[in-house]
Amino acid sequence: KAGVTQTPRYLIKTRGQQVTLSCSPISGHRSVSWYQQTPGQGLQFLFEYFSETQRNKGNFPGRFSGRQFSNSRSEMNVSTLELGDSALYLCASSLAGGAGGEQYFGPGTRLTVT
Amino acid sequence: AQTVTQSQPEMSVQEAETVTLSCTYDTSENNYYLFWYKQPPSRQMILVIRQEAYKQQNATENRFSVNFQKAAKSFSLKISDSQLGDTAMYFCAFSAYSGAGSYQLTFGKGTKLSVIP
Repeated sequence: KAGVTQTPRYLIKTRGQQVTLSCSPISGHRSVSWYQQTPGQGLQFLFEYFSETQRNKGNFPGRFSGRQFSNSRSEMNVSTLELGDSALYLCASSLAGGAGGEQYFGPGTRLTVT
Repeated sequence: AQTVTQSQPEMSVQEAETVTLSCTYDTSENNYYLFWYKQPPSRQMILVIRQEAYKQQNATENRFSVNFQKAAKSFSLKISDSQLGDTAMYFCAFSAYSGAGSYQLTFGKGTKLSVIP
């Protein structure tokens, strides 16, 4: 099976712009989670989607949003970019979600905001 | 809210030796899961080992084993016979259900492990 894929892998944006990142989960996986990874804050949970519904959301401002499509592919959007949004954005998929399930991570999208 | 603390930002170990990475957590939940994830340089994060809180027996996966002390809220990872490919960031993570089937992984800040030839 193909692994979790994320596009694009690298992105450079300027402050004030918006950006959309895409994540394709492993075939058959219905749960997709998003994380932000920075040197200072580490890995922080953004949100989790299951069957097109957001089940949980982390402590991020409303500029961060996401959605999931019927084929389980997910997108996250960040509007009005700030310098502090520069980070590696990771998505992870799991078969059915659940606290004990293994999450399979993608390679990430490295976003640089200038 | 749950917190996960990894007190060792960096560690090194000689090839073939044994190393233990520490992790403590804080939670009021009784049923939860603990994980160690490995993130090699410029590579994807992968699951190393998982422990279910209601199981007293420590999890083991080949050269990787954990020492789970529920009362002390401690979850350390032991790597035996260290190999060069074990060089990576290691993250301790916690997960519990938070209603309506929702959950989230809470990660520690990570321990950078270097295996020295």
